[in-house]
Amino acid sequence: SYVLTQPPSVSVAPGQTARITCGGYNIRSKSVHWYQQKPGQAPVLVVYDDSDRPSGIPERFSGSNSGNTATLTISRVEAGDEADYYCQVWDSSSDHVVFGGGTKLTVL
Amino acid sequence: QVQLAQSGAEVKKPGASVKVSCKASGYTFTTYYMHWVRQAPGQGLEWMGKINPSGDITTYAQKFQDRITMTRDTSTSTVYMELSSLRSEDTAVYFCARKRDGYNLFDYWGQGTLVTVSS
Repeated sequence: SYVLTQPPSVSVAPGQTARITCGGYNIRSKSVHWYQQKPGQAPVLVVYDDSDRPSGIPERFSGSNSGNTATLTISRVEAGDEADYYCQVWDSSSDHVVFGGGTKLTVL
Repeated sequence: QVQLAQSGAEVKKPGASVKVSCKASGYTFTTYYMHWVRQAPGQGLEWMGKINPSGDITTYAQKFQDRITMTRDTSTSTVYMELSSLRSEDTAVYFCARKRDGYNLFDYWGQGTLVTVSS
């Protein structure tokens, strides 16, 4: 089965740039989606199809996908961005949805 | 506006079954796939399976294949997820999530239902 690997944690100071990676075999061939989840809440889509933003999501959130790694980039990080972030793909070979293990973003 | 309203928290004993509901509103229920995702305490998101718009085709994650059933009732716009042979490791928050049409992603989520398995 397809596996997505994320770092458990990323820390960044306010105003700096956070980069959260999502590794998977030939992930560039898949559409990668990213969710933000704050404690006690359901996940919220922040980036879809590698680099598109849903309406209402700040331009500070962006994404890229190349080779075996997809990346969620959060520019000018704010305290309110502190949350868990999950990448997600659809594995066409199994028709299953796959989530990465999640990354906890800490704003110092 | 789209809403997915899930049933309330449950406490079950090991070996029992639980059935969680997810009532949809604000959109055409028979157009969209619905998925279920769970999250154990302090853990990540785990995909469990999906049910197609008409309710006659389901796809389950291998891990749950033998003990999960997803159904939907178009008359009440409600989707159900039943998990049997519960064990302590099934203690988790269970989410229903709507798949966006034309994409393999989730655009709306239920609020989550906590299922606690304890003797």
